[in-house]
Amino acid sequence: GAGVSQSPRYKVAKRGQDVALRCDPISGHVSLFWYQQALGQGPEFLTYFQNEAQLDKSGLPSDRFFAERPEGSVSTLKIQRTQQEDSAVYLCASSPWTSGNTDTQYFGPGTRLTVL
Amino acid sequence: KQEVTQIPAALSVPEGENLVLNCSFTDSAIYNLQWFRQDPGKGLTSLLLIQSSQREQTSGRLNASLDKSSGRSTLYIAASQPGDSATYLCAVPPTTGFQKLVFGTGTRLLVSP
Repeated sequence: GAGVSQSPRYKVAKRGQDVALRCDPISGHVSLFWYQQALGQGPEFLTYFQNEAQLDKSGLPSDRFFAERPEGSVSTLKIQRTQQEDSAVYLCASSPWTSGNTDTQYFGPGTRLTVL
Repeated sequence: KQEVTQIPAALSVPEGENLVLNCSFTDSAIYNLQWFRQDPGKGLTSLLLIQSSQREQTSGRLNASLDKSSGRSTLYIAASQPGDSATYLCAVPPTTGFQKLVFGTGTRLLVSP
């Protein structure tokens, strides 16, 4: 079946612009994660959804970052008033499990955001 | 706070060599450990997942071991091929909370023909 898809694949924004990044998880997957990967670094956790509920947003770096998953499938990560330090690859991952269990996370190809 | 370290940061080998990538983590109370592969400009592909009750997992030419007590995991790649060139990342969930992953910084592998 189809994997996790993300759009756009590349986004260039001027400093101060708002951007929206989309993630389509694998159909039926309950859990959805967003990660931020700076150049040369490993991904860092941003936020986690279980269905439509945002259960952990401890990794969001500032209140300029906002994520939603209103119907428990597609998710959008929004960054307001972008800054140069927001430049990174934003990865989305989904997983079929709910809680109290462990399973593989399936990652999308990422969106590379460049803020000029 | 869980911290993950990977050594070496980069590795270059000729085709055919066997090699070992290392991963260490500070808090041994983990549920599992995953090894991922990342190709340039692409997302992560899961290679192996080792549950905390297991000591190793094998998939083809890949073998991952886990020693929770010492906070270490190794990824062994047998008979390396140029197609193995990529960045390899290990990741563990935190000891509390949901299964968000804590990643190392990765080992960048180059296998030359």
